[in-house]
Amino acid sequence: EPEVTQTPSHQVTQMGQEVILRCVPISNHLYFYWYRQILGQKVEFLVSFYNNEISEKSEIFDDQFSVERPDGSNFTLKIRSTKLEDSAMYFCASSESGTPGAGELFFGEGSRLTVL
Amino acid sequence: GQNIDQPTEMTATEGAIVQINCTYQTSGFNGLFWYQQHAGEAPTFLSYNVLDGLEEKGRFSSFLSRSKGYSYLLLKELQMKDSASYLCAVLPSGGYNKLIFGAGTRLAVHP
Repeated sequence: EPEVTQTPSHQVTQMGQEVILRCVPISNHLYFYWYRQILGQKVEFLVSFYNNEISEKSEIFDDQFSVERPDGSNFTLKIRSTKLEDSAMYFCASSESGTPGAGELFFGEGSRLTVL
Repeated sequence: GQNIDQPTEMTATEGAIVQINCTYQTSGFNGLFWYQQHAGEAPTFLSYNVLDGLEEKGRFSSFLSRSKGYSYLLLKELQMKDSASYLCAVLPSGGYNKLIFGAGTRLAVHP
């Protein structure tokens, strides 16, 4: 069964360092997303991406965050200068369709980021 | 504002039936999702409702009443592996699958 894969599974970094989280969405999917979940809290939307540009972003997704699809398979989330409050599980997701509700979201296993 | 409420924790017995409720207030509505999340793992899709009524899928069923801003997830013939968090998520108007998640309901199934 096709799946969304993410690397690394866990990253520990020092405050102020740059971090890149990588995702390989399902191959025929066109819509890509990043969500995050701070330990013990809700899953929160960060950003959606389609046709090589951001479709929508939340208020969490400030200038410290960026996304990129550097090639035909990878989708990355970069945090330029990490803060303690960026510690969370980051989930990549993809869907075949962007039509509300019609495209089931498939989530990756997540990348746990710990900022010290 | 956007608000999704669901109970924090529930317990149930193996083989029993459990109903997990979700109420929501969002700016517009394009459907409601239920996801299952085991500790430390990714959410996995269970169901999607956009019209009023009951959707049944095996042991799991999901109900929606748009006029009441209410949904429930019904799990039948509970198994130990059903111990997980169950996340209610709403798709407001517009947006590409920009889901608004509730805090989740932790379900513990015991023998």
